[in-house]
Amino acid sequence: DAGVIQSPRHEVTEMGQEVTLRCKPISGHNSLFWYRQTMMRGLELLIYFNNNVPIDDSGMPEDRFSAKMPNASFSTLKIQPSEPRDSAVYFCASSPADRGYEQYFGPGTRLTVT
Amino acid sequence: GENVEQHPSTLSVQEGDSAVIKCTYSDSASNYFPWYKQELGKGPQLIIDIRSNVGEKKDQRIAVTLNKTAKHFSLHITETQPEDSAVYFCAAPTSNTGKLIFGQGTTLQVKP
Repeated sequence: DAGVIQSPRHEVTEMGQEVTLRCKPISGHNSLFWYRQTMMRGLELLIYFNNNVPIDDSGMPEDRFSAKMPNASFSTLKIQPSEPRDSAVYFCASSPADRGYEQYFGPGTRLTVT
Repeated sequence: GENVEQHPSTLSVQEGDSAVIKCTYSDSASNYFPWYKQELGKGPQLIIDIRSNVGEKKDQRIAVTLNKTAKHFSLHITETQPEDSAVYFCAAPTSNTGKLIFGQGTTLQVKP
């Protein structure tokens, strides 16, 4: 199994630009999670989907952040417009239907907004 | 909602010694407690988990114990090796949701 795939691995952009992060969950998993990791705040859950439907987006910091899951094998996290304080590592994780708490993380996308 | 506290934040041991990381949680309904290991530049990796119907689980040099009455669980690593050096996270679920709440992380350094 290829595991959770994220792209790009690194992204450097200027303030005000749109950023799109991509995730391919493990095949057969039905839940998908987007996390943000910073030194100050640790690992924060932004949003999670179950069967492609957003279940809880209470962790999304503000309206500049949006996430979609158009099908079971693809999800995006978009930041528009980006700000320097969005700089962080963004992780995607997925979990199987029968073991919903077992989350498997991707390698992350390191975002730097200058 | 669930609150997870993890201690210590940093831990340094000599190779071959044991390491213990402790977590407490607040939601008495929580029934699943995973531990993740995060190496530099990588995503967290699930290394062991325990469910509330058992008090201890072991996998080679790693063990996890759970005390539901006191609402705390611990990770034990025996015969530590330099490759055990990483950040370790505990987590607990919020009731009736698919969400995990993560502890603040423990940076373990194993000195050769």
